Amino acid sequence: DAKTTQPPSMDCAEGRAANLPCNHSTISGNEYVYWYRQIHSQGPQYIIHGLKNNETNEMASLIITEDRKSSTLILPHATLRDTAVYYCIVRVPGDNDMRFGAGTRLTVKP
Amino acid sequence: GAGVSQSPSNKVTEKGKDVELRCDPISGHTALYWYRQSLGQGLEFLIYFQGNSAPDKSGLPSDRFSAERTGGSVSTLTIQRTQQEDSAVYLCASSSLAYSYNEQFFGPGTRLTVL
Repeated sequence: DAKTTQPPSMDCAEGRAANLPCNHSTISGNEYVYWYRQIHSQGPQYIIHGLKNNETNEMASLIITEDRKSSTLILPHATLRDTAVYYCIVRVPGDNDMRFGAGTRLTVKP
Repeated sequence: GAGVSQSPSNKVTEKGKDVELRCDPISGHTALYWYRQSLGQGLEFLIYFQGNSAPDKSGLPSDRFSAERTGGSVSTLTIQRTQQEDSAVYLCASSSLAYSYNEQFFGPGTRLTVL
């Protein structure tokens, strides 16, 4: 069973920020939040991860609530190439089994 | 540098035949994973290799599925007596435990179609 819940789909206008939510209410203290995305016909691509502090890299920002029960992935200026399925995963680094749920299908529209 | 590669990219086979899928991980990565993704579904973990340790086979759906990793590098996933429900994209990923967060790098996948 996936430990996360995400909306099945979202739309975003090109150039606007895309905010993708994820609920992980049963997250344990040593589990990190990871985000991956999968563009059509490609393998999943790592985006970002975090434990409890907000994180930012060249691709996205990750906002984790203080109780760690939910998080939001932010793509600050979405482009058409960001259209993909986005997966939120919680796991302990080194866990063999990274369980992907169904993810959120983000469609960026012109 | 080179990423994870998989071959073939597409495989069409007849029900009952055996198939072999190959994965070349990133050089130096000690961990290797196989996943399966059915149409419109999330990823399903199959098997995990880490160095010379015994593999974690807990995700293999039946004894028709097996995998090997030779020399700690290339891996082969074998499906015997294929069934139509085996049709899926089979993804391989590798990671280095040198990473503090154990990021997995995925290959492009092999699309298997069982007729």
